[in-house]
Amino acid sequence: AQKVTQAQTEISVVEKEDVTLDCVYETRDTTYYLFWYKQPPSGELVFLIRRNSFDEQNEISGRYSWNFQKSTSSFNFTITASQVVDSAVYFCALSEAPGTASKLTFGTGTRLQVTL
Amino acid sequence: DVKVTQSSRYLVKRTGEKVFLECVQDMDHENMFWYRQDPGLGLRLIYFSYDVKMKEKGDIPEGYSVSREKKERFSLILESASTNQTSMYLCASSLYFEQYFGPGTRLTVT
Repeated sequence: AQKVTQAQTEISVVEKEDVTLDCVYETRDTTYYLFWYKQPPSGELVFLIRRNSFDEQNEISGRYSWNFQKSTSSFNFTITASQVVDSAVYFCALSEAPGTASKLTFGTGTRLQVTL
Repeated sequence: DVKVTQSSRYLVKRTGEKVFLECVQDMDHENMFWYRQDPGLGLRLIYFSYDVKMKEKGDIPEGYSVSREKKERFSLILESASTNQTSMYLCASSLYFEQYFGPGTRLTVT
């Protein structure tokens, strides 16, 4: 069975600090996909990134970066120079290889609070 | 841009009522999903559908049913609402990989 663990329930940082959100996953599939979603206070989940299991290159998008390490089954998300608008709940998710429909298994989320 | 809409943002129902939650997507996506979100539990899959009239149970289907008569619309039905179904309900759609979510319906059953 697939499982995603986000051990950090809540993180509080001061604006401009860097912050890393941890994600550890379990799967028996050799082909799988990892995702990060952001849920701002408005409630709608926003897709941030998808990574497939064959691509271990780190990715950077502006202040966001993702570190995928198969050896430790981790897919961590770092926000550099955090801003108040980054305050949200962040979910990591895992999908089996696409078949009839790619179901997502979500972690329990990490609430990030960025203060001035 | 993908647009997923849900019929209500907030809903209050009484125990025993039949409740319909509607979800519509405008991107011709094959797959549609219903989740519930509860504090400390993340998102849990209730049902999903990969084609019109096709449906499959997710992880927590008990007490729910679904209907997909048209490709763009996926309905979640609570046959007899109970207080333990008070939750945030999220609908999503996808073509291949990433799922796109609606704004959610916060349902309170009293």
